[in-house]
Amino acid sequence: DTGVSQDPRHKITKRGQNVTFRCDPISEHNRLYWYRQTLGQGPEFLTYFQNEAQLEKSRLLSDRFSAERPKGSFSTLEIQRTEQGDSAMYLCASSLLLQGDYGYTFGSGTRLTVV
Amino acid sequence: LAKTTQPISMDSYEGQEVNITCSHNNIATNDYITWYQQFPSQGPRFIIQGYKTKVTNEVASLFIPADRKSSTLSLPRVSLSDTAVYYCLVGPLWGGGNKLTFGTGTQLKVEL
Repeated sequence: DTGVSQDPRHKITKRGQNVTFRCDPISEHNRLYWYRQTLGQGPEFLTYFQNEAQLEKSRLLSDRFSAERPKGSFSTLEIQRTEQGDSAMYLCASSLLLQGDYGYTFGSGTRLTVV
Repeated sequence: LAKTTQPISMDSYEGQEVNITCSHNNIATNDYITWYQQFPSQGPRFIIQGYKTKVTNEVASLFIPADRKSSTLSLPRVSLSDTAVYYCLVGPLWGGGNKLTFGTGTQLKVEL
């Protein structure tokens, strides 16, 4: 297990379509996070899970967004009825509670382009 | 969470030492200072973290004055591969889910 994996790396979709992204965290990490990053900005927190429980959601996460982490392993982020403003890099990260920031590892992200 | 201010961009040449300063006037007693590095099309990568005085690892040094209202990331003898965005983050080590709050970062460009 070499790191956090995200799939796909790139996604182009038409406005109004639904998209789903997958994140596979480092296997022993119990926390999983989703962030969104637009051009020229730092990553913005969307939501996080501890094991299978979704513990916090940002106000950025509109009703069109839903995230799941069944069985506390991989996670999916779905965007329904995509809009052009959803175009961004979606980053996943994982950490192990009690390791603090030293254990916080990001994936390479999924770049979404809505046309 | 404490807000951070850092330069938008910096330029340097290979072999030089680069110092990036971050201001965090409202840092709380239990806040730590963490720096991340991000290359294009990749997620941020942890560089260094500290609470006070000086921390050094194989990649960088972090200098934190006694009042902790600012910090300086020092990269010795940079190379072209150090061209990246550097983020300064301030927040509690534990609690709050460890979610990270990023600013806009400092774009470092290293040239020959």
